Amino acid sequence: DIVMTQSPDSLAVSLGERATINCKSSQSVLYSSNNKNYLTWYQQKPGQPPKVLIYWASTRGSGVPDRFSGSGSGTDFTLTISSLQSEDVAVYYCQQYYNTPLTFGGGTKVEIK
Amino acid sequence: QVQLQESGPRLVKPSETLSLTCTVSGGSVGSDTYYWSWIRKPPGKGLEWIGYIYYTESTNYNPSLKNRVTISYTSKNQFSLRLTSVTAADTAVYYCARADSHYYGSGLTWFDPWGQGSLVTVSS
Repeated sequence: DIVMTQSPDSLAVSLGERATINCKSSQSVLYSSNNKNYLTWYQQKPGQPPKVLIYWASTRGSGVPDRFSGSGSGTDFTLTISSLQSEDVAVYYCQQYYNTPLTFGGGTKVEIK
Repeated sequence: QVQLQESGPRLVKPSETLSLTCTVSGGSVGSDTYYWSWIRKPPGKGLEWIGYIYYTESTNYNPSLKNRVTISYTSKNQFSLRLTSVTAADTAVYYCARADSHYYGSGLTWFDPWGQGSLVTVSS
């Protein structure tokens, strides 16, 4: 199984400041045949299901604000919120779809400082 | 727009079978090239993929649950989850979700959309 490790477990950021979440996979999720990273980021707010923010490691989902960005390749990935807003308080998960079993990171809780 | 909704008993006794149904509106589970999955989130823990059924009715399960889980179609617009011999560790919010198919990699992509989730508690 590919183990997804997120850091930190939680972080508190002031409104308007940058938030950075890391995700590391135990093996590469870059598929050489198409040069795509099989990694997605979700946002989950209390009482709601996860919502796709980023797929292919760096492509924003439909309607996702451009303050959210994804970067990285191979085994190391980052989700950045460039200017934290109050509505961004949530838990964020990375997930690989390179192979089965599909696996998720443990989640990072983002709060307002 | 496709929407998913989980339904089923919210309380299951230890050693019994957990059964949930996902109803899909705005689409058909058997006629498109989609993967229909179950995912769960135990209290205070992260997300765990349980398995999927493809539109061809082929299935793939997480090895951590493989001997206890069955995913199947129940109708044109529903698919179901059965998890046998449950324990307290199976207490979780259970989500159904759809993923698109993709030629490379695992064969499927990210999950979108998701159902709202159904909390199932295992307790006597």
